[in-house]
Amino acid sequence: AQSVTQPDIHITVSEGASLELRCNYSYGATPYLFWYVQSPGQGLQLLLKYFSGDTLVQGIKGFEAEFKRSQSSFNLRKPSVHWSDAAEYFCAVGASSSNTGKLIFGQGTTLQVKP
Amino acid sequence: DTGVSQDPRHKITKRGQNVTFRCDPISEHNRLYWYRQTLGQGPEFLTYFQNEAQLEKSRLLSDRFSAERPKGSFSTLEIQRTEQGDSAMYLCASSLGWDRNGYTFGSGTRLTVV
Repeated sequence: AQSVTQPDIHITVSEGASLELRCNYSYGATPYLFWYVQSPGQGLQLLLKYFSGDTLVQGIKGFEAEFKRSQSSFNLRKPSVHWSDAAEYFCAVGASSSNTGKLIFGQGTTLQVKP
Repeated sequence: DTGVSQDPRHKITKRGQNVTFRCDPISEHNRLYWYRQTLGQGPEFLTYFQNEAQLEKSRLLSDRFSAERPKGSFSTLEIQRTEQGDSAMYLCASSLGWDRNGYTFGSGTRLTVV
């Protein structure tokens, strides 16, 4: 069965500092991987995705993520965090062997940005 | 393209009452998904439609829950005899096929059962 683990429930960084949010997945084949961001009371916005090819993927708002098959990880990074990045971040996995498009989400990581 | 719309944004109901939520997907999207998100958790899959056909339902979707997409456009999610445990954010998303670009989510309906 697929699963996603986001080990950090809450992270605080200073504005301008670098950021890395961790994501580990469990899936037998090559997964489809996503990072979404959710502001309070809002739906989810797609930041970036990985399906195949280059393991370093670029997304919106200056985010990037790296797929590491050997570590079953898909960590999200940003070199310099802005106050507006404060939100909840979700990693999700989709089954490449299935046509349903169903996603399994992690528990989420809440990012707080200190001025 | 006005995005995915959900109505209402908030709903407070008494335990035992029935509630219905509506989702209007992006017009050309043939797939529509419902997810439930409880506080402090990620979204959990409930069900999805391709056009008007409901192709998969999660075990989370008890007999009190029913979803429809009668003409392959908007969808409704009804919860009968609501319980306090049904309090959650109900999210709708749509896509064109198995859109590997990911879904477009609506802003959700926040249900509070008192």
